Amino acid sequence: DIQMTQSPSSVSASVGDRVTITCRASQGISSWLAWYQQKPGKAPKLLIYAASSLQSGVPSRFSGSGSGTDFTLTISSLQPEDFATYYCQQANSFLLTFGGGTKVEIK
Amino acid sequence: QLQLQESGPGLVKPSETLSLTCTVSGGSISSSSYYWGWIRQPPGKGLEWIGSIYYSGSTYYNPSLKSRVTISVDTSKNQFSLKLSSVTAADTAVYYCARPINHSLNNWFDPWGQGTLVTVSS
Repeated sequence: DIQMTQSPSSVSASVGDRVTITCRASQGISSWLAWYQQKPGKAPKLLIYAASSLQSGVPSRFSGSGSGTDFTLTISSLQPEDFATYYCQQANSFLLTFGGGTKVEIK
Repeated sequence: QLQLQESGPGLVKPSETLSLTCTVSGGSISSSSYYWGWIRQPPGKGLEWIGSIYYSGSTYYNPSLKSRVTISVDTSKNQFSLKLSSVTAADTAVYYCARPINHSLNNWFDPWGQGTLVTVSS
């Protein structure tokens, strides 16, 4: 299995802050990485796929970068609706795996 | 707009079989070459891919669950289903069905169903 490790597990930030979340794969996955946002009681929402492609309808303040084993999700200016938990997911192999999540909390 | 909706019992006894159905609306399972997936999330924990099924019936399972999982498709009802046998408390989770964004097996999911909580308890 490809293990996905996210850091930090939680981050406190204020509206307007720039927030960066990282995801590391246990082996190289090229650009086979996605990022999801999940709010309490809701299904995950796809934000970024193929490491840096923005899913349709997702605000441009979200961006993704990286390849190989190290990836980053950046929120350029945190908005009130962005407080949520974020997950990365690799699709390099047929055994799809997710990171443990990063909770973005209000400071 | 494609929508998915999970349905099934919210409470299952230990050692019994969990059975869920995902009903697809706004599109046809049989006319689109997608691998439809099941993902679960234990309360307060992360996400785990359970398995996926191609519209023709080919299946792919997470090896950690493979001995207990069966995913099937009923194109006449535009549904696909999940069965998980010999459940324990560790199988208590919100179960989601989802469709990937393109036609390959290794993929990312959008849209997702709203999820359904299944509790394993006597």
